[in-house]
Amino acid sequence: AQTVTQSQPEMSVQEAETVTLSCTYDTSESDYYLFWYKQPPSRQMILVIRQEAYKQQNATENRFSVNFQKAAKSFSLKISDSQLGDAAMYFCAYRSGWAIKAAGNKLTFGGGTRVLVKP
Amino acid sequence: DTEVTQTPKHLVMGMTNKKSLKCEQHMGHRAMYWYKQKAKKPPELMFVYSYEKLSINESVPSRFSPECPNSSLLNLHLHALQPEDSALYLCASSPGDKDRMNEKLFFGSGTQLSVL
Repeated sequence: AQTVTQSQPEMSVQEAETVTLSCTYDTSESDYYLFWYKQPPSRQMILVIRQEAYKQQNATENRFSVNFQKAAKSFSLKISDSQLGDAAMYFCAYRSGWAIKAAGNKLTFGGGTRVLVKP
Repeated sequence: DTEVTQTPKHLVMGMTNKKSLKCEQHMGHRAMYWYKQKAKKPPELMFVYSYEKLSINESVPSRFSPECPNSSLLNLHLHALQPEDSALYLCASSPGDKDRMNEKLFFGSGTQLSVL
């Protein structure tokens, strides 16, 4: 079974600064997908960024970027130019590369990292 | 419309009550999901419906009963719940395209359930 670990329960960042959230995972599969989800106080889970394991290039979405190290099974998220609206719980998630019909698009989540943004 | 709508937002029920949680989406998605999230914990998958058929049931207790009347609606019927079932219940949907491996999940804002 796959496991996802987020070792930082909470991170604090000054507005406009950069913060990096760590995520490691354990899997024996070679084909999989990794995601970062954000859960603000509204409780809605929002996809921030996703990475296909077969792609070497790190994914980027505006101020959000990842550092994907497949050999080390590491998938960190960097938030640049932090804004007050970035304050939320962030979850790293793993999905098997097996067909959706077999895996049911099941996400395995890490324990989460709370990000606090100081004005 | 890119929303997944869940009702009610909050629900308090006794252990002998019967209640239902509702979830609706109008994005044409063919896969819908129920997740349970305890406080300060990540979401845990409960059920997956794909093309209105239950495809994954993560051995959830029978006091939780899902229903998918059509491709836009997903219900979760609750009966004889226990206090430990108190949690945030999240609904999600995805296109359900079996050829797309990395399809995105769209989540609702959840129903906060308290069982007394």
